[in-house]
Amino acid sequence: AQSVTQLGSHVSVSEGALVLLRCNYSSSVPPYLFWYVQYPNQGLQLLLKYTTGATLVKGINGFEAEFKKSETSFHLTKPSAHMSDAAEYFCAVKTSYDKVIFGPGTSLSVIP
Amino acid sequence: KAGVTQTPRYLIKTRGQQVTLSCSPISGHRSVSWYQQTPGQGLQFLFEYFSETQRNKGNFPGRFSGRQFSNSRSEMNVSTLELGDSALYLCASSPRVDLNTEAFFGQGTRLTVV
Repeated sequence: AQSVTQLGSHVSVSEGALVLLRCNYSSSVPPYLFWYVQYPNQGLQLLLKYTTGATLVKGINGFEAEFKKSETSFHLTKPSAHMSDAAEYFCAVKTSYDKVIFGPGTSLSVIP
Repeated sequence: KAGVTQTPRYLIKTRGQQVTLSCSPISGHRSVSWYQQTPGQGLQFLFEYFSETQRNKGNFPGRFSGRQFSNSRSEMNVSTLELGDSALYLCASSPRVDLNTEAFFGQGTRLTVV
C-alpha cells in the first residue's frame, strides 16, 4: 500500500534561513509526487509536482524539491525563508488514476 | 478563470441533523474529489466523481454521500451528524483523470457540529 510520511509535524526557521521539509513515500510503482501549501482558513495550493524527467523540480514562491528514488524521498527546500512562507505543507503521492495519498502535513513557522 | 467555489464557507449544525455542501469546479473540469480535514486525522479522501459517476470512495460510513451533476457541480451530504463530523471539508477539481494532473482546491466549508 502507498503511504507518505513527513518528518516533523512542526518546523521553525528564522527569516532568511534555509527551509527543509521532509517527505518520504512508499510505493511499489513509480510515483507521481506533489507538494501543496495551505494557508490558514484556505484550501490547498499546488507548489510543485514531479511526474517524469528531471528529478529537481522548481515550483512557485522559490520552492524546489528533488526526487530521489533510491531514498524514496521528495524533500522540499527554499534557500531563504520569508515570513509569508508560514503555512501548512502537505506532500502527496499518486500512483493510480483515482487515488491521491496525502502526508500528515508539516506546519512551518518563520521567526523574524 | 474562476477557481473552485465551495458554499457555504461556514456552517453550524446540531447532532442528528443532516447537511449538504456544494462545490462548483473550475470551468471545464470534470473530476471532483472531496476530502475531510481534521487536526487529528489530517486529510482523508471521501470520494471522487467524474462525469456524474462515483469512481472511488474512501473509508467513511454510509452517512456520507455525494453526487455530481451534468454541469460537473457536486454536492456532498452527511446525514445524522455526529460531533466527530466537525471538520473542514475540501473540494478539489481536475480537468482530467490522469497521473500527472494536480487537483485544484476550493477554500473549504468549515462544519461545526454542536
